[in-house]
Amino acid sequence: GAGVSQTPSNKVTEKGKYVELRCDPISGHTALYWYRQSLGQGPEFLIYFQGTGAADDSGLPNDRFFAVRPEGSVSTLKIQRTERGDSAVYLCASSSLAGLTDTQYFGPGTRLTVL
Amino acid sequence: QKEVEQNSGPLSVPEGAIASLNCTYSDRGSQSFFWYRQYSGKSPELIMFIYSNGDKEDGRFTAQLNKASQYVSLLIRDSQPSDSATYLCAVFYGNNRLAFGKGNQVVVIP
Repeated sequence: GAGVSQTPSNKVTEKGKYVELRCDPISGHTALYWYRQSLGQGPEFLIYFQGTGAADDSGLPNDRFFAVRPEGSVSTLKIQRTERGDSAVYLCASSSLAGLTDTQYFGPGTRLTVL
Repeated sequence: QKEVEQNSGPLSVPEGAIASLNCTYSDRGSQSFFWYRQYSGKSPELIMFIYSNGDKEDGRFTAQLNKASQYVSLLIRDSQPSDSATYLCAVFYGNNRLAFGKGNQVVVIP
């Protein structure tokens, strides 16, 4: 079936603006994750959804970041008052919560550039 | 404190040789371990996972796990130019998140 999709693929915005990044997980996957990857680094965990609820949002850097998943499928990551330091690739992943062998499948990412 | 360490710099190997990558982790409670491959400008794609001590082979790839020493490694046999990528080690914790190392770049020289 189709993989994880993310839109837009690229987003350029100005400092102080609001942005929304969208993730459409693999059909049937109950778990959805957001990660952020800066150049030369591995992905950094932001938030994990199980169904509609945020089960773990400990990775969100501050209250400018917020994410929702209202119907348990598509998720939106929202960033208010963007700063240049928010520039990174934002990756979404989904999984079927298969325990120890739970495999997270990643989308293509959204490259966010804050000018 | 970093949870997952991948300390080696870029690794250059001749085509057909074995590439060896290492990863250490800090939390003894870690349950399962994943190797992802990431081509430049692309997202990570899973190569394999391992959760029992010992070796696990999948085609040209072998993952090795030693929980007592808290390290996991990846061997790539018969390296091909298409294996040139960054390899990310990831550790799965019970709270359903992956902690990634910063990756090791592998360059296979024809």
